[in-house]
Amino acid sequence: DQQVKQNSPSLSVQEGRISILNCDYTNSMFDYFLWYKKYPAEGPTFLISISSIKDKNEDGRFTVFLNKSAKHLSLHIVPSQPGDSAVYFCAASGRNYGGSQGNLIFGKGTKLSVKP
Amino acid sequence: DTAVSQTPKYLVTQMGNDKSIKCEQNLGHDTMYWYKQDSKKFLKIMFSYNNKELIINETVPNRFSPKSPDKAHLNLHINSLELGDSAVYFCASSQVWGGETQYFGPGTRLLVL
Repeated sequence: DQQVKQNSPSLSVQEGRISILNCDYTNSMFDYFLWYKKYPAEGPTFLISISSIKDKNEDGRFTVFLNKSAKHLSLHIVPSQPGDSAVYFCAASGRNYGGSQGNLIFGKGTKLSVKP
Repeated sequence: DTAVSQTPKYLVTQMGNDKSIKCEQNLGHDTMYWYKQDSKKFLKIMFSYNNKELIINETVPNRFSPKSPDKAHLNLHINSLELGDSAVYFCASSQVWGGETQYFGPGTRLLVL
């Protein structure tokens, strides 16, 4: 029972173009969403987050969009750079509900390749 | 100055053995976690722990137990290792309990033969 789904296992884009990574969730109690980036043989590193009271959050080249009615979020990277090549994990939690609802639930990840 | 560190990085062992993985964070965080990334690449929470409460994912076998000597450390003990325990185990920490931005260690790659 995947509560957080990343249906694209991989994505390839050209340097300088936009990368769009998608994520869908099923649990209506999720109220906090995060994107993590992971390089091989390293742990995931936090990239950007968004609370359910917002529909957009921007940090430099990275923007996360949240569509609560569709239970969908996306990460936009503009412009994409070769150093962005990594696996991107979407994660969600119901942090305002406390207890185990505050745990992060991760998607399976999307491997982004940015070609020079 | 690694924020969250784990030892060992690699662990190869035989079925039936007992092993431990250590985790330390120097961020002054109150909460620590253990995750398992299996062969299908899913990252799944195993334990959430602060000095007041331990939350165990109900799917985790009781052969797995977290031990916290102090706030900066959360070690993972695994008894009677099985082939299916082979995975990458990540430790993480966050400033407060529940859903806040978590900082991950580099992972421990466990192979059970």
